[in-house]
Amino acid sequence: AQSVTQPDIHITVSEGASLELRCNYSYGATPYLFWYVQSPGQGLQLLLKYFSGDTLVQGIKGFEAEFKRSQSSFNLRKPSVHWSDAAEYFCAVRGSNFGNEKLTFGTGTRLTIIP
Amino acid sequence: DAGVIQSPRHEVTEMGQEVTLRCKPISGHDYLFWYRQTMMRGLELLIYFNNNVPIDDSGMPEDRFSAKMPNASFSTLKIQPSEPRDSAVYFCASSSHRAESGNTIYFGEGSWLTVV
Repeated sequence: AQSVTQPDIHITVSEGASLELRCNYSYGATPYLFWYVQSPGQGLQLLLKYFSGDTLVQGIKGFEAEFKRSQSSFNLRKPSVHWSDAAEYFCAVRGSNFGNEKLTFGTGTRLTIIP
Repeated sequence: DAGVIQSPRHEVTEMGQEVTLRCKPISGHDYLFWYRQTMMRGLELLIYFNNNVPIDDSGMPEDRFSAKMPNASFSTLKIQPSEPRDSAVYFCASSSHRAESGNTIYFGEGSWLTVV
């Protein structure tokens, strides 16, 4: 069974500073990896995804993530955060075998932006 | 294209009442998922369907919960009787097996349930 670990429950950064949110996954085969963002009272919005190919993937809102198989990681980065980036961020892994196509989420990282 | 549509968006009900949550997946999608989000347990899968057939219902908490998908464009999640501990946000999501969709799972806006 797959699993995801997001070691940071809460991160605070200054507006304009760089950001890295950590994500480690466990899955026996090549994973399908995702980052979703959730603003308070809202649903889940897809930021980016990785299936294969280039290990550095670009997403919406200036986010990117790098897949590192050797470290079982898929960390999310942004070079300069904006106040509107304050939200909860979820890393997720999806199984590729029939009967195991569910999306398994990490516990989330809450991002606070200070002026 | 319309996204995943859920109703109701918000519901407050009394303990013991029946609650029915509804979902319309994205047209053409053959997978449908029901997730629940709580502060204590985070995002957890309740059940998912493929071509209207339940594939994995191991996350359904107990017999009070049931889910159906009578056709490709509609699914319900029912709680009977409801209890205060069922208070949560319930998300419906859908995806397509087709390669061009990228195996992405798209989420609805959620149904915010409060049981008092």
